[in-house]
Amino acid sequence: ETGVTQTPRHLVMGMTNKKSLKCEQHLGHNAMYWYKQSAKKPLELMFVYSLEERVENNSVPSRFSPECPNSSHLFLHLHTLQPEDSALYLCASSQDHDSGVSTDTQYFGPGTRLTVL
Amino acid sequence: GQQLNQSPQSMFIQEGEDVSMNCTSSSIFNTWLWYKQDPGEGPVLLIALYKAGELTSNGRLTAQFGITRKDSFLNISASIPSDVGIYFCAGQDFTDKLIFGTGTRLQVFP
Repeated sequence: ETGVTQTPRHLVMGMTNKKSLKCEQHLGHNAMYWYKQSAKKPLELMFVYSLEERVENNSVPSRFSPECPNSSHLFLHLHTLQPEDSALYLCASSQDHDSGVSTDTQYFGPGTRLTVL
Repeated sequence: GQQLNQSPQSMFIQEGEDVSMNCTSSSIFNTWLWYKQDPGEGPVLLIALYKAGELTSNGRLTAQFGITRKDSFLNISASIPSDVGIYFCAGQDFTDKLIFGTGTRLQVFP
């Protein structure tokens, strides 16, 4: 596998379910990101991890819980979601040359299409 | 929060025509990126621009970083059916945060 992969590609869940989204990057990058893409809205940055430390959390509800066990893997744990959380969830990675939030080109995975019933 | 104005929102063109889209911001950016997103896929980087005035090509695609550092445009020459998709601009500001435009949806008719 090359680039950034995401699983599952599609997920349907009820509001009481617990599920996790997985992202894996094969680019040797040290920063990873979660974005939410809703219809007719700009991409919304949710979380940023740089060197496996969370460096940004953009006021995301606690029902979304990220985890970055190493520089190649990123998870988004989902719990008691709402129907308005239905969206395409995109993972991205980049090579962060500073210790800051985001300094270089980001490469995206194919996304997980999430539907909350 | 900071926003990018991307226009047009959508374009319907004939195969072979040239296409132009742009993004403007009220503040200065250090980097401009252009992405294309196919249905059901994530955005794919097309062109990255790092200097004001920079003009960069990638095949039939050409993008420029505006001299004021507040705008960028993307041109596609001699469009083909596989150019169909949503094109996003993204700008990186002084905080290094990447901000995305709302996208331009391109439809190409044979």
